[in-house]
Amino acid sequence: TQLLEQSPQFLSIQEGENLTVYCNSSSVFSSLQWYRQEPGEGPVLLVTVVTGGEVKKLKRLTFQFGDARKDSSLHITAAQPGDTGLYLCAGVLNAGGTSYGKLTFGQGTILTVHP
Amino acid sequence: DTAVSQTPKYLVTQMGNDKSIKCEQNLGHDTMYWYKQDSKKFLKIMFSYNNKELIINETVPNRFSPKSPDKAHLNLHINSLELGDSAVYFCASSQAVTSGSQYFGAGTRLSVL
Repeated sequence: TQLLEQSPQFLSIQEGENLTVYCNSSSVFSSLQWYRQEPGEGPVLLVTVVTGGEVKKLKRLTFQFGDARKDSSLHITAAQPGDTGLYLCAGVLNAGGTSYGKLTFGQGTILTVHP
Repeated sequence: DTAVSQTPKYLVTQMGNDKSIKCEQNLGHDTMYWYKQDSKKFLKIMFSYNNKELIINETVPNRFSPKSPDKAHLNLHINSLELGDSAVYFCASSQAVTSGSQYFGAGTRLSVL
């Protein structure tokens, strides 16, 4: 059983379309991150959200942290071929004690944007 | 200047061999990590060190032994390699010991034949 359920696993869209990727859990996270990974490279941090209900924007990307800090979404407006990649949500569990920076990852969403 | 660099990029070896992967970060971070990414792209933490002290040790076979000579370096030694060890291994670092905002290296693709 995945602690962080990410959906969809695959997304193939045309340039200009909008899309949303979801990351859901039954557990509470003290912080949640979104990373993007390109082939042959390591994940690159896009954003960190820490407050329930928080919304952050990064150009055409909008990230939201659920009010209860159990879920998050990534919305891309007017997708471009350069957005193609593997998107990963990851979080640090709010375990009461010290969770350190132990990241729990979702399964990832492979996004392909066709010109 | 690469922030988190790991070597080698590719490692092809025979079953039963021992191999090491090296990682260095120049970000001045105190905390470093090793992750394993399987063929389905799922990332799982293996170890974490904070200022040379082991703080996270997941359920990893004891054939895997991390070593941190100083807080800028975290190496991973693997004994008696098995076919199932084939994966991409990522090193990462973070400024704070509880931070999920981590900076990853480019990965080491290990293939055990």
